[in-house]
Amino acid sequence: QSVLTQPPSASGTPGQKVTISCSGSSSNIGSNTVYWYQQPPGTAPKLLMYNNNQRPSGVPDRFSGSKSGTSASLAISGLQSEDEADYYCAAWDDSLNGYVFGSGTKVTVL
Amino acid sequence: QVQLQQWGAGLLKPSETLSLTCAVYGGSFSGYYWNWIRQPPGKGLEWIGEINHSGRSNYNPSLKSRVTISVDTSKNQFSLKVSSVTAADTAVYYCARMGWGLRGFDSWGQGTLVTVSS
Repeated sequence: QSVLTQPPSASGTPGQKVTISCSGSSSNIGSNTVYWYQQPPGTAPKLLMYNNNQRPSGVPDRFSGSKSGTSASLAISGLQSEDEADYYCAAWDDSLNGYVFGSGTKVTVL
Repeated sequence: QVQLQQWGAGLLKPSETLSLTCAVYGGSFSGYYWNWIRQPPGKGLEWIGEINHSGRSNYNPSLKSRVTISVDTSKNQFSLKVSSVTAADTAVYYCARMGWGLRGFDSWGQGTLVTVSS
């Protein structure tokens, strides 16, 4: 059972906007920065977002992040076929004294 | 461009000790926290623990009693040991770097599938 809650799936057609939610608590998202990772099938995860809404170099600006209270979200605008992957949110948890991940959301491009 | 390369035994019997090593190439070893993360087949990611170049470590409470992470700064390597493994420890294990300023796990190893089976 993951500490952070995500919807199991999301989908859209090419060009559409997809939003993934991540729900936590005051000990993790509520008090620490949120990260997002993208994991295409059979590959290692890749950092997509840090500090809630900052993109590492090379990540397209189609990806955007936000945080409010104990929840966060990742938006993918202008959906492309290469965006098909699993997406995970993560944060440090002050109560567990460690990093926690979301349950993952599989994004399908229809 | 930092690269992480990992290796270790892929097939274990129950009660044995899992042992993996991750080597860091092309970047500074000091100033970062080095992590182990695992992913059971078809499931999500689970953080195992971290260590810095001076050996300060931190573990997932659910695994703490069985996990040891160590560092060899002379070789720019860090290692994971998990004792008394069971089938529940079957997973792809990744090593990863927590980026400068806590900017996320920005570099990952290729992953090692460890299967525990009698």
